[in-house]
Amino acid sequence: DQQVKQNSPSLSVQEGRISILNCDYTNSMFDYFLWYKKYPAEGPTFLISISSIKDKNEDGRFTVFLNKSAKHLSLHIVPSQPGDSAVYFCAASSLDTQLIWGAGTKLIIKP
Amino acid sequence: DTGVSQDPRHKITKRGQNVTFRCDPISEHNRLYWYRQTLGQGPEFLTYFQNEAQLEKSRLLSDRFSAERPKGSFSTLEIQRTEQGDSAMYLCASSPWTGYNTQYFGPGTRLTVL
Repeated sequence: DQQVKQNSPSLSVQEGRISILNCDYTNSMFDYFLWYKKYPAEGPTFLISISSIKDKNEDGRFTVFLNKSAKHLSLHIVPSQPGDSAVYFCAASSLDTQLIWGAGTKLIIKP
Repeated sequence: DTGVSQDPRHKITKRGQNVTFRCDPISEHNRLYWYRQTLGQGPEFLTYFQNEAQLEKSRLLSDRFSAERPKGSFSTLEIQRTEQGDSAMYLCASSPWTGYNTQYFGPGTRLTVL
């Protein structure tokens, strides 16, 4: 049973445009959500997180939106840059439990 | 500012051999995690430590796998009698002791079992 789902294996976006990556979860006990970015042959790099008391968190070009009623979160990257090409993972947890990970979305930024 | 480090970065071994990987976490972090990742999947949790205590192991973790963190600093992950199915990226992460879990990852060790 996949508690965290990233339904798009890949996404292609023009440089300079907005990239929107989506993530759905099923466990209503999750209350902390994270996005990580991963380049080939490297470990995941933490990008941004959000707790369930918020519906938006912003850090530079990255914004995460949380819709608790829909059990959905999204990561917006504006503007998209070539260096953003990577695999993006969402992860979820509740207090003091392990992170549950999605399968990832490969983002390709086209010049 | 040193991040999480892992050694070796790559390991090629023959089936049936034992291998050991090392992880050095961020120095002020109490928690240390081991994951395995295969292509097209998110990281799969294996085990974690709080200081030197191993608090949780995945039920998927075979008894051929053992991990230690003897002084609450670096950790080792040993795989005995390796099998071809053990070929994967082995990731280590650390986090400070907080209720919520932002984990910081090392570069990983790529294991290939021939």
